[in-house]
Amino acid sequence: QSVLTQPPSVSGAPGQRVTISCTGSSSNIGAGYDVHWYQQLPGTAPKLLIYGNSNRPSGVPDRFSGSKSGTSASLAITGLQAEDEADYYCQSYDSSLSGWGVFGTGTKVTVL
Amino acid sequence: EVQLVESGGGVVRPGGSLRLSCAASGFTFDDYGMSWVRQAPGKGLEWVSGINWNGGSTGYADSVKGRFTISRDNAKNSLYLQMNSLRAEDTALYHCARVPDPLAVAGSEWYFDLWGRGTLVTVSS
Repeated sequence: QSVLTQPPSVSGAPGQRVTISCTGSSSNIGAGYDVHWYQQLPGTAPKLLIYGNSNRPSGVPDRFSGSKSGTSASLAITGLQAEDEADYYCQSYDSSLSGWGVFGTGTKVTVL
Repeated sequence: EVQLVESGGGVVRPGGSLRLSCAASGFTFDDYGMSWVRQAPGKGLEWVSGINWNGGSTGYADSVKGRFTISRDNAKNSLYLQMNSLRAEDTALYHCARVPDPLAVAGSEWYFDLWGRGTLVTVSS
């Protein structure tokens, strides 16, 4: 079980706005460590979507945005499109663990 | 083309060994840290191991510590994962992933900006 908790699924109609939460604690997000987000389309490798809490790599549409507050972070998708149907993972660092990085539990986004 | 291509997966019996490779192309390999991330069938992502640009620093998840060894050969633009004492729970698709900061070891700068498609490891008797 991951130290970063995400809702198993969220859904929305095309054009709507959906948000995905990533809830951590004082040893990871709350300690000030950055949160990064990945999109994994069915049958493909993960793709970096947001880095450093709110930065988009080149080529990522501005429909995707990230934020962080306290011990949680969020990924928002505005103007939801059919091609956004995928799994989304947050990732950060936890100082109480010996590993170098930890992923969230993952969220399946369904476009209705 | 900038890409990472994994190889070396297969079916192995419990207790067996495998060596995974990741070939990098299209970028200067030793400008980046590297990592292995795995995904069990139908499950989420799990960080496995990481290495900085020159191999001077390595890290492992508790689940593989003492059994897996990460290494790299910058002259061959290649990343490796030696997996020993394999268990059924190691069954997964293993991705190699690029870390933008060559000096990063854990922390906020440890994230992955390029991923390979993965190589499947199945541990079964």
